[in-house]
This record gives sequence, C-alpha cells and structure tokens, in this order.
Amino acid sequence: RKEVEQDPGPFNVPEGATVAFNCTYSNSASQSFFWYRQDCRKEPKLLMSVYSSGNEDGRFTAQLNRASQYISLLIRDSKLSDSATYLCVVNPRGAGSYQLTFGKGTKLSVIP
Amino acid sequence: DAGVIQSPRHEVTEMGQEVTLRCKPISGHDYLFWYRQTMMRGLELLIYFNNNVPIDDSGMPEDRFSAKMPNASFSTLKIQPSEPRDSAVYFCASSLFRDRGDYGYTFGSGTRLTVV
Repeated sequence: RKEVEQDPGPFNVPEGATVAFNCTYSNSASQSFFWYRQDCRKEPKLLMSVYSSGNEDGRFTAQLNRASQYISLLIRDSKLSDSATYLCVVNPRGAGSYQLTFGKGTKLSVIP
Repeated sequence: DAGVIQSPRHEVTEMGQEVTLRCKPISGHDYLFWYRQTMMRGLELLIYFNNNVPIDDSGMPEDRFSAKMPNASFSTLKIQPSEPRDSAVYFCASSLFRDRGDYGYTFGSGTRLTVV
C-alpha cells in the first residue's frame, strides 16, 4: 500500500460548486498532515495544516479521521482561481521525524 | 524575505555531463530538503539536512547523485554523469520546525532539468 494515496481526478466542477477530496495514508504513526496546492508548472505551496479537531480557513475545511486513516479537504463556493492540483501531505514516520511524503495530487478544474 | 532561491530555473544538458543544481534556503530555517517531481512518480524526497548535516539520503537514486550543504545558506545537488531518466523538476524546500509540531515547507521555484 502506498504511503499516501489520492484520487488523481480530474474533478471538473462549475463555479460556485462544493467539492471534496479525500486522501488515505498507510502509517498509523503519522503525526502531521497538510494540504498543499500546486499550480501548473509552479512549486507546491502550503494551503493548510490539518488538525485532529479539524480546521477551517475561509472556504476551505480540512478534516482528519485517524481511525480510518484519511484526510479530507472541502472547498465551498469554488472559484476559477481554485483550479490547481491539491497535494495531500503526511509525516509518515511520526514524532521526531520531519520529512513529509506527498501524494501525487488531485487535479481540480473549476469551469465558468 | 526572498523565499527559497533555486538556480538555474532551466537546464538542458547532454547525457554524460555533470549537472549542479543550487539552492539558497530561507534565512533562519534549520531544515533543507531536495525533492524530485515527475508525472509518473510525483514528488519524491531525495535527501534532507538539519543544521547543514545530512540526515537521510535514502531517497537518492544512486551513486550518480550527491548533495552538500557547506553552510546554512547554500546547498547543491549534483548529478554525475547525467542520464535521460534524470529529467524532472528538482525542488529545494526549507523549513523551521517549532515545538508545537505545526510546520510546513517553503519550496523554491524548482529547476527543470532535461537530459538529452
């Protein structure tokens, strides 16, 4: 089983729609979780951290389910500028290790 | 802050040539990472440093790859000799880890390497 798995998409959604991505991770010892965003031919950029209690940043909501080992990202009221690839990121080795493993990403296209 | 600076942005080289990629991390960051990204494999960690010391190089594909960090503000990734299968985008990232465990990487713009 891969350390981090995501549906590659693409997800094609109209403006204003709500879209959700899921990601699963294999190592139950993982401690830190993130969502990154990568625009075409650009570097990945941190979108948000994912906390056990869940967290929200404007139109974006991230949730963590440790029992099922999955992470989700919900985007409400999609904008054209949300079109990008969303990378699920996990610290696979738990506390004391600071290296991150990146999923291959889910591509989102928001259509006018 | 200027962010993480990588050079060159693009590199086209012939098979067998030596390639050197450069990275300047964000001042004050204590971790530096080298990643490689391809369509097939996504982002793969090659090596990372903590306070200029290599911590884990298990992701380096083979002996043709080497990385150094002579000081806190500079790192290089060298491929010698280069092969077509090394063609990829190479990213450098740096980070400062805080006790509360909330951290993230800042990536450079990457070096797009093409080996022909």
